[in-house]
Amino acid sequence: QITLKESGPTLVKPTQTLTLTCTFSGFSLSTSGVGVGWIRQPPGKALEWLALIYWNDDKRYSPSLKSRLTITKDTSKNQVVLTMTNMDPVDTATYYCTHKYCSGGSCYYTFDFWGQGTLVTVSS
Amino acid sequence: QSALTQPASVSGSPGQSITISCTGTSSDLGSYNYVSWYQQHPGKAPKLMIYDVSYRPSGVSNRFSGSKSGNTASLTISGLQADDEADYYCSSYTSTNWVFGGGTKLTVL
Repeated sequence: QITLKESGPTLVKPTQTLTLTCTFSGFSLSTSGVGVGWIRQPPGKALEWLALIYWNDDKRYSPSLKSRLTITKDTSKNQVVLTMTNMDPVDTATYYCTHKYCSGGSCYYTFDFWGQGTLVTVSS
Repeated sequence: QSALTQPASVSGSPGQSITISCTGTSSDLGSYNYVSWYQQHPGKAPKLMIYDVSYRPSGVSNRFSGSKSGNTASLTISGLQADDEADYYCSSYTSTNWVFGGGTKLTVL
């Protein structure tokens, strides 16, 4: 059973750096093809993909946010960390950690398991 | 502005079928068969319903089906049920990153 859970601050001030941790179980981020991503959703708005890290430490970022994002993994702790610099009120959103779908030895460009999400508010 | 375009809302009566469209460009949705659809109930995390245009993960009802033609993908829900009322998002992989649609609110009348 795959589970993911996000943790981090619920409130950050403008210009601060946000650090979110995804702690997962039920799979290993050292297995070929596996990836863990972050997706966010402002209140009442659409989903927005942010970043993804693969088992081999390959990293992908949203082109529009690439300069502000860093994604890392700690395989031994089953954790993925996302940092976002220079936070702004428009970054207020629920941030989701997600598992890139793999099944039967094949992996797909989609996300099958999601964390419960963590609401981050950016306000002074 | 979202990368993929969806209608803001659709509605249907129980038992009917509805279709939600998702329009991209030749640079994203039109070039890759990596379209996914997610269902999201209020206050909940999204749930994967369709991947690779038309494949259903285990456990998803066969009332949900997906297709694609050119730069437009579609999600069809047949035999509408009350619990289908939710927001639906399409997504496409674009060789380096993922893009989402703006979401469609499905109302079951």
